[in-house]
Amino acid sequence: EAAVTQSPRSKVAVTGGKVTLSCHQTNNHDYMYWYRQDTGHGLRLIHYSYVADSTEKGDIPDGYKASRPSQENFSLILELASLSQTAVYFCASSEGRPSGNTLYFGEGSRLIVV
Amino acid sequence: QQKVQQSPESLSVPEGGMASLNCTSSDRNFQYFWWYRQHSGEGPKALMSIFSDGDKKEGRFTAHLNKASLHVSLHIRDSQPSDSALYFCAASEPSNSGTYQRFGTGTKLQVVP
Repeated sequence: EAAVTQSPRSKVAVTGGKVTLSCHQTNNHDYMYWYRQDTGHGLRLIHYSYVADSTEKGDIPDGYKASRPSQENFSLILELASLSQTAVYFCASSEGRPSGNTLYFGEGSRLIVV
Repeated sequence: QQKVQQSPESLSVPEGGMASLNCTSSDRNFQYFWWYRQHSGEGPKALMSIFSDGDKKEGRFTAHLNKASLHVSLHIRDSQPSDSALYFCAASEPSNSGTYQRFGTGTKLQVVP
């Protein structure tokens, strides 16, 4: 089965601080994604990437940067963390285009900004 | 704007009963649908996808898609306590366009022993 691992699994950050969430997949998938989960909003896409060294914006990219240094790794960066970014973040991968392929999710990273 | 709507928001069914979940897209271009299930403390996992009109059955789970109304449903027969979870519907445009999947807000299912 596809394997997507995230780190850290949980983090408390200070407002205005920098946060980096990391994701590693061993599926040899081309596409990787960062979603945010909030109660009442479901899962919303922040950034995605279909090839190393390239990232694309999703529906809610403001306040977030992404980095894809290799096919296996995809990071989400919060340069100046804010209270509104408290949420659970999920990384996912898919073999090909998301429109025809299943997403495989990691276990999530719970971020609390204080 | 939420392009994928799910109902009900929460649902409670007795063990052994039938659970029915609904999903509708407000974007006529979204014609491919998935159902994902998320147990507490875990990431979502795909249950099934459906791209053609009609029914698709996988074990106790049956999805039904009506493209004309952009409505997809998920029916779980013989519900088990282990089916208690948050169920997400996701939708996207057909494969050649390459757009990403958009998710609904989820239906929380509780199966009562």
